Amino acid sequence: SQQGEEDPQALSIQEGENATMNCSYKTSINNLQWYRQNSGRGLVHLILIRSNEREKHSGRLRVTLDTSKKSSSLLITASRAADTASYFCALGGIYNQGGKLIFGQGTELSVKP
Amino acid sequence: DAGVIQSPRHEVTEMGQEVTLRCKPISGHDYLFWYRQTMMRGLELLIYFNNNVPIDDSGMPEDRFSAKMPNASFSTLKIQPSEPRDSAVYFCASSSSWGPLTEAFFGQGTRLTVV
Repeated sequence: SQQGEEDPQALSIQEGENATMNCSYKTSINNLQWYRQNSGRGLVHLILIRSNEREKHSGRLRVTLDTSKKSSSLLITASRAADTASYFCALGGIYNQGGKLIFGQGTELSVKP
Repeated sequence: DAGVIQSPRHEVTEMGQEVTLRCKPISGHDYLFWYRQTMMRGLELLIYFNNNVPIDDSGMPEDRFSAKMPNASFSTLKIQPSEPRDSAVYFCASSSSWGPLTEAFFGQGTRLTVV
């Protein structure tokens, strides 16, 4: 499957704790992207990491990419109740697949105040 | 820019009826994607366009589904005839010239219910 597989499917933590979500894939990609979806809303882009990058930061977000293991992780530090949402990884620039942008099944994060 | 605009936001229709979903991408974006989201199947890519041309429609579930992009600022997804299993949230997204090499911007989605 070209789809990213996310782990865990659901995560519940207390405010202030860190949240880590993982994405594994099986194909060659140009980049891996992370998106957030609040209930009933569209997806919002969070961060993009290219295949030649290993780590990227944006505010409280830290993304790593290991192309040898074909896996990525998204870390949200010092989580807040407002971080409660579903988080999706997306594979971009898939080898031999032109312009497809393929999403994983998502991780549902619940941050309790 | 107002972002990607989809209409309607909600649609309830009877089985067998034709349904048309609409999307206005961000101005200047030349990639447009249609996705369908359900609890069971997650977020599925149905079709995408580049410069108004359909590039890959392998995700379109069956012949009842069709999509068009008559110009750079408008796309439609049509279901005819509709069936209850088509009930889902349909998202349109657009991105710039580098397509999947850059971020995609999503509309708010159309929640379709077929009864």
